[in-house]
Amino acid sequence: TQLLEQSPQFLSIQEGENLTVYCNSSSVFSSLQWYRQEPGEGPVLLVTVVTGGEVKKLKRLTFQFGDARKDSSLHITAAQPGDTGLYLCAGGPGSNYKLTFGKGTLLTVNP
Amino acid sequence: GAGVSQSPSNKVTEKGKDVELRCDPISGHTALYWYRQRLGQGLEFLIYFQGNSAPDKSGLPSDRFSAERTGESVSTLTIQRTQQEDSAVYLCASSSGGALWEQYFGPGTRLTVT
Repeated sequence: TQLLEQSPQFLSIQEGENLTVYCNSSSVFSSLQWYRQEPGEGPVLLVTVVTGGEVKKLKRLTFQFGDARKDSSLHITAAQPGDTGLYLCAGGPGSNYKLTFGKGTLLTVNP
Repeated sequence: GAGVSQSPSNKVTEKGKDVELRCDPISGHTALYWYRQRLGQGLEFLIYFQGNSAPDKSGLPSDRFSAERTGESVSTLTIQRTQQEDSAVYLCASSSGGALWEQYFGPGTRLTVT
């Protein structure tokens, strides 16, 4: 069974701070996706990384896929209250084209 | 274009009653997934549909749960004889497949069993 561990589980910071959240596994994934879920909404896809060592930037968000394709990180620069949400990583596709989701990091950015 | 829609957005039901949740996927998406998300938790896979293939029901927690999909369109998730532990947000996602199987989620149905 493939598992994805996300850390930290909770993170509360002040506006303007930088942060990094992690997504780790002992399994190799063909791709890894990051989603953000705001309260009362469904998850929204942010990015997909597919190549070991790949780095993708989305404005103030930087995503990295580990060289061995077992882990990933999300770094946010100068966090804003609008970044508040549950950040989920998902690896896959596995058998039957299912993604394996982590439990998420709940980020709160205080103004 | 239109995203994934789900209805109802909220459902309150009494223990023991049956409920039916609906999902309208993005047009043209062949794959459809149902997930359950309990308060403060991640996503729990329930069932997956792909075209006309037999669905992957491996995540359904009990025989009280069932789902149907007509072709590549609407899907319904039915929970019979609801229990309090069924209270959760039920999320639907669709995907066009391809190499990455990126999923696009609806806003979810919040189910409360009293």
